[in-house]
Amino acid sequence: GNSVTQMEGPVTLSEEAFLTINCTYTATGYPSLFWYVQYPGEGLQLLLKATKADDKGSNKGFEATYRKETTSFHLEKGSVQVSDSAVYFCALRGNNFNKFYFGSGTKLNVKP
Amino acid sequence: EAGVTQFPSHSVIEKGQTVTLRCDPISGHDNLYWYRRVMGKEIKFLLHFVKESKQDESGMPNNRFLAERTGGTYSTLKVQPAELEDSGVYFCASSPLAGVQGETQYFGPGTRLLVL
Repeated sequence: GNSVTQMEGPVTLSEEAFLTINCTYTATGYPSLFWYVQYPGEGLQLLLKATKADDKGSNKGFEATYRKETTSFHLEKGSVQVSDSAVYFCALRGNNFNKFYFGSGTKLNVKP
Repeated sequence: EAGVTQFPSHSVIEKGQTVTLRCDPISGHDNLYWYRRVMGKEIKFLLHFVKESKQDESGMPNNRFLAERTGGTYSTLKVQPAELEDSGVYFCASSPLAGVQGETQYFGPGTRLLVL
Protein backbone atom coordinates (compact mmCIF):
# COMPACT_ATOMS: atom_id res chain seq x y z
CA GLY A 1 0.00 0.00 0.00
CA ASN A 2 0.87 3.68 -0.03
CA SER A 3 2.36 5.46 2.98
CA VAL A 4 4.60 8.37 3.91
CA THR A 5 7.01 8.63 6.81
CA GLN A 6 8.54 11.92 7.80
CA MET A 7 10.81 12.94 10.63
CA GLU A 8 9.14 13.86 13.86
CA GLY A 9 9.36 17.35 15.19
CA PRO A 10 9.49 19.84 16.44
CA VAL A 11 12.60 21.06 14.69
CA THR A 12 14.05 24.22 16.18
CA LEU A 13 16.61 26.23 14.23
CA SER A 14 18.19 29.65 14.39
CA GLU A 15 17.60 32.08 11.55
CA GLU A 16 19.86 31.45 8.53
CA ALA A 17 20.47 27.81 9.51
CA PHE A 18 20.26 24.98 6.97
CA LEU A 19 17.06 22.94 7.01
CA THR A 20 16.46 19.31 6.12
CA ILE A 21 13.19 17.52 6.78
CA ASN A 22 13.37 13.87 5.84
CA CYS A 23 10.55 12.14 4.01
CA THR A 24 10.43 8.57 2.73
CA TYR A 25 7.58 6.80 1.05
CA THR A 26 6.18 3.42 0.13
CA ALA A 27 4.10 3.20 -3.01
CA THR A 28 3.14 0.95 -5.86
CA GLY A 29 3.90 2.27 -9.28
CA TYR A 30 5.06 5.82 -9.82
CA PRO A 31 3.51 8.30 -7.42
CA SER A 32 3.67 12.09 -7.53
CA LEU A 33 5.27 13.66 -4.46
CA PHE A 34 4.36 16.89 -2.71
CA TRP A 35 5.29 19.12 0.18
CA TYR A 36 2.50 21.13 1.76
CA VAL A 37 2.97 23.80 4.43
CA GLN A 38 0.55 25.02 7.09
CA TYR A 39 1.32 28.41 8.58
CA PRO A 40 -0.25 29.24 11.96
CA GLY A 41 -3.98 29.81 11.63
CA GLU A 42 -4.07 28.98 7.93
CA GLY A 43 -4.89 26.04 5.69
CA LEU A 44 -2.51 23.74 3.85
CA GLN A 45 -0.68 25.36 0.97
CA LEU A 46 1.22 23.58 -1.76
CA LEU A 47 4.92 24.32 -1.36
CA LEU A 48 6.39 22.22 -4.17
CA LYS A 49 5.91 19.00 -6.07
CA ALA A 50 7.63 16.48 -8.34
CA THR A 51 5.92 14.04 -10.64
CA LYS A 52 8.69 11.67 -11.73
CA ALA A 53 12.01 10.28 -10.60
CA ASP A 54 14.92 12.75 -10.47
CA ASP A 55 12.60 15.74 -10.78
CA LYS A 56 13.40 18.60 -8.43
CA GLY A 57 10.61 20.72 -7.05
CA SER A 58 11.45 24.19 -5.78
CA ASN A 59 9.68 27.22 -4.39
CA LYS A 60 10.50 30.09 -1.99
CA GLY A 61 14.06 28.79 -1.54
CA PHE A 62 12.87 25.29 -0.64
CA GLU A 63 13.90 22.29 -2.74
CA ALA A 64 13.17 18.56 -2.82
CA THR A 65 14.35 15.90 -5.26
CA TYR A 66 12.32 12.81 -6.12
CA ARG A 67 14.71 9.90 -5.45
CA LYS A 68 13.23 6.62 -6.60
CA GLU A 69 16.25 4.54 -5.60
CA THR A 70 15.97 5.62 -1.97
CA THR A 71 12.18 6.28 -2.07
CA SER A 72 12.80 9.70 -0.58
CA PHE A 73 11.71 13.31 -1.07
CA HIS A 74 13.63 15.27 1.54
CA LEU A 75 12.87 18.98 1.94
CA GLU A 76 15.81 21.39 2.14
CA LYS A 77 16.41 25.10 2.46
CA GLY A 78 19.78 26.75 2.68
CA SER A 79 18.88 29.60 5.01
CA VAL A 80 15.65 29.59 7.01
CA GLN A 81 13.81 32.67 8.18
CA VAL A 82 11.51 33.25 11.13
CA SER A 83 8.63 33.44 8.65
CA ASP A 84 9.28 29.80 7.66
CA SER A 85 7.97 28.65 11.04
CA ALA A 86 5.11 26.31 10.18
CA VAL A 87 4.11 22.66 9.97
CA TYR A 88 5.40 20.85 6.87
CA PHE A 89 3.63 17.81 5.41
CA CYS A 90 5.08 15.38 2.91
CA ALA A 91 2.51 13.68 0.71
CA LEU A 92 2.16 11.32 -2.21
CA ARG A 93 -0.52 10.79 -4.75
CA GLY A 94 -0.75 7.26 -6.04
CA ASN A 95 -1.60 5.69 -9.32
CA ASN A 96 -5.28 6.50 -9.07
CA PHE A 97 -4.24 10.19 -9.11
CA ASN A 98 -6.94 11.11 -6.64
CA LYS A 99 -6.49 10.94 -2.91
CA PHE A 100 -3.35 12.03 -1.11
CA TYR A 101 -1.41 10.07 1.48
CA PHE A 102 0.21 12.36 4.03
CA GLY A 103 2.94 12.05 6.59
CA SER A 104 2.36 13.10 10.19
CA GLY A 105 3.79 16.59 9.72
CA THR A 106 6.95 18.23 11.04
CA LYS A 107 6.70 21.43 13.02
CA LEU A 108 9.50 23.90 12.33
CA ASN A 109 10.33 26.69 14.76
CA VAL A 110 12.82 29.29 13.59
CA LYS A 111 14.23 31.59 16.24
CA PRO A 112 15.69 35.04 15.51
CA GLU B 1 -10.64 34.12 -6.62
CA ALA B 2 -11.88 32.84 -3.28
CA GLY B 3 -10.20 29.77 -1.87
CA VAL B 4 -11.74 26.78 -0.18
CA THR B 5 -13.72 27.86 2.86
CA GLN B 6 -14.86 25.80 5.82
CA PHE B 7 -17.35 26.45 8.57
CA PRO B 8 -17.16 26.50 11.51
CA SER B 9 -13.51 27.08 12.24
CA HIS B 10 -13.89 25.49 15.67
CA SER B 11 -16.54 23.33 17.29
CA VAL B 12 -16.71 21.97 20.82
CA ILE B 13 -19.47 19.45 21.50
CA GLU B 14 -20.26 16.75 24.01
CA LYS B 15 -20.09 13.07 23.29
CA GLY B 16 -23.34 11.88 21.75
CA GLN B 17 -24.20 15.19 20.12
CA THR B 18 -24.37 15.86 16.40
CA VAL B 19 -22.09 18.19 14.48
CA THR B 20 -22.24 19.27 10.85
CA LEU B 21 -19.21 20.65 9.08
CA ARG B 22 -19.48 22.60 5.84
CA CYS B 23 -17.06 23.05 2.97
CA ASP B 24 -17.35 25.44 0.05
CA PRO B 25 -14.90 24.49 -2.71
CA ILE B 26 -13.35 26.82 -5.22
CA SER B 27 -15.97 27.76 -7.78
CA GLY B 28 -15.90 25.42 -10.76
CA HIS B 29 -14.03 22.62 -9.01
CA ASP B 30 -15.88 19.38 -9.59
CA ASN B 31 -13.70 17.39 -7.20
CA LEU B 32 -14.10 17.75 -3.47
CA TYR B 33 -12.21 15.81 -0.82
CA TRP B 34 -12.49 15.44 2.94
CA TYR B 35 -9.48 14.61 5.12
CA ARG B 36 -8.93 14.38 8.87
CA ARG B 37 -5.94 14.85 11.14
CA VAL B 38 -6.34 13.22 14.53
CA MET B 39 -4.12 13.92 17.57
CA GLY B 40 -1.24 15.40 15.57
CA LYS B 41 -0.91 12.30 13.45
CA GLU B 42 -0.96 12.03 9.68
CA ILE B 43 -3.70 13.61 7.64
CA LYS B 44 -5.96 10.80 6.42
CA PHE B 45 -8.29 10.69 3.46
CA LEU B 46 -12.00 10.30 4.19
CA LEU B 47 -13.80 10.59 0.86
CA HIS B 48 -13.91 12.09 -2.61
CA PHE B 49 -16.83 13.60 -4.50
CA VAL B 50 -17.00 14.19 -8.22
CA LYS B 51 -19.76 16.73 -8.53
CA GLU B 52 -22.55 15.27 -6.39
CA SER B 53 -21.43 11.63 -6.63
CA LYS B 54 -19.26 9.82 -4.13
CA GLN B 55 -16.27 8.57 -6.09
CA ASP B 56 -14.37 7.01 -3.19
CA GLU B 57 -15.50 6.76 0.40
CA SER B 58 -13.00 4.15 1.50
CA GLY B 59 -11.62 6.35 4.28
CA MET B 60 -14.87 6.96 6.12
CA PRO B 61 -14.30 5.48 9.59
CA ASN B 62 -17.83 4.19 10.29
CA ASN B 63 -21.51 4.83 9.68
CA ARG B 64 -21.64 7.69 12.17
CA PHE B 65 -20.14 9.85 9.43
CA LEU B 66 -22.35 11.05 6.59
CA ALA B 67 -21.14 13.26 3.77
CA GLU B 68 -23.32 14.95 1.19
CA ARG B 69 -22.82 17.25 -1.73
CA THR B 70 -26.23 18.13 -3.03
CA GLY B 71 -26.14 19.99 -6.32
CA GLY B 72 -22.43 19.43 -6.68
CA THR B 73 -21.44 22.67 -4.95
CA TYR B 74 -20.83 22.81 -1.20
CA SER B 75 -20.49 19.71 0.92
CA THR B 76 -21.44 18.82 4.47
CA LEU B 77 -19.95 16.21 6.77
CA LYS B 78 -22.17 15.18 9.64
CA VAL B 79 -21.02 13.21 12.64
CA GLN B 80 -23.87 11.60 14.58
CA PRO B 81 -23.47 10.71 17.37
CA ALA B 82 -20.00 12.13 18.01
CA GLU B 83 -17.48 10.12 20.01
CA LEU B 84 -14.29 11.24 21.78
CA GLU B 85 -12.07 9.73 19.09
CA ASP B 86 -13.68 11.94 16.45
CA SER B 87 -11.77 14.94 17.79
CA GLY B 88 -9.32 16.37 15.29
CA VAL B 89 -8.97 18.78 12.42
CA TYR B 90 -11.16 18.16 9.38
CA PHE B 91 -9.82 19.49 6.11
CA CYS B 92 -11.64 19.96 2.86
CA ALA B 93 -9.88 20.22 -0.49
CA SER B 94 -10.96 20.75 -4.06
CA SER B 95 -9.48 20.41 -7.51
CA PRO B 96 -10.72 21.09 -11.02
CA LEU B 97 -9.46 17.80 -12.41
CA ALA B 98 -9.02 14.27 -11.19
CA GLY B 99 -7.03 11.42 -12.56
CA VAL B 100 -4.24 13.76 -13.62
CA GLN B 101 -0.73 13.07 -12.39
CA GLY B 102 0.63 15.94 -10.32
CA GLU B 103 -2.71 17.71 -10.07
CA THR B 104 -2.81 19.94 -7.02
CA GLN B 105 -5.55 19.90 -4.44
CA TYR B 106 -6.42 23.22 -2.80
CA PHE B 107 -7.07 22.96 0.91
CA GLY B 108 -9.27 24.92 3.25
CA PRO B 109 -8.19 26.10 6.71
CA GLY B 110 -9.84 23.17 8.45
CA THR B 111 -12.41 22.78 11.19
CA ARG B 112 -11.09 21.94 14.64
CA LEU B 113 -13.53 19.57 16.33
CA LEU B 114 -13.27 18.77 20.01
CA VAL B 115 -15.59 16.16 21.49
CA LEU B 116 -15.77 16.20 25.29
